[in-house]
Amino acid sequence: RKEVEQDPGPFNVPEGATVAFNCTYSNSASQSFFWYRQDCRKEPKLLMSVYSSGNEDGRFTAQLNRASQYISLLIRDSKLSDSATYLCVVNWGNQFYFGTGTSLTVIP
Amino acid sequence: DAGVIQSPRHEVTEMGQEVTLRCKPISGHDYLFWYRQTMMRGLELLIYFNNNVPIDDSGMPEDRFSAKMPNASFSTLKIQPSEPRDSAVYFCASRKTISYEQYFGPGTRLTVT
Repeated sequence: RKEVEQDPGPFNVPEGATVAFNCTYSNSASQSFFWYRQDCRKEPKLLMSVYSSGNEDGRFTAQLNRASQYISLLIRDSKLSDSATYLCVVNWGNQFYFGTGTSLTVIP
Repeated sequence: DAGVIQSPRHEVTEMGQEVTLRCKPISGHDYLFWYRQTMMRGLELLIYFNNNVPIDDSGMPEDRFSAKMPNASFSTLKIQPSEPRDSAVYFCASRKTISYEQYFGPGTRLTVT
């Protein structure tokens, strides 16, 4: 079983839609959780950390469910500029495990 | 502030040649990571350093791969000899001890023919 699993998509949604991605992880001792965004042929960039209590940054909301070992990312009011691949990242110790990413295309 | 700097940005080489990739982490960051990304396998951690010391190289695929960090501001990843299956994008990333947030360089796109 992979340490981190994501639905690769692709998700194709119209502008203004709400879209959610989930990511499951295998190690219950995982300590930190992140969502990264990667544009085509670019490096991954940190989108947001995921805290136990959940956190929100503008149109983006991240949630952590330790009991079920998954994290989620909700994007409201999708913009064309949100089109990218979203990678979930799970950390334990000094190891960081990246999911293979979920592709999002926002359509005009 | 300057981000993580990598060079070269693109490298095309023939099978059997030696390839050296370079990375300059963000100043003040004491962790440095080398990753490889392919369509098939996604982003894989190859090796990471803490305070210039290699901590975990279990992700290095073969003895053909080696990495060094002679000082806090410079690291190299070397492949010798290179093979076509090494073709990938190689990313360097760094972070501070007090934070688990990693910052990636722009990557080196390696093509081995």
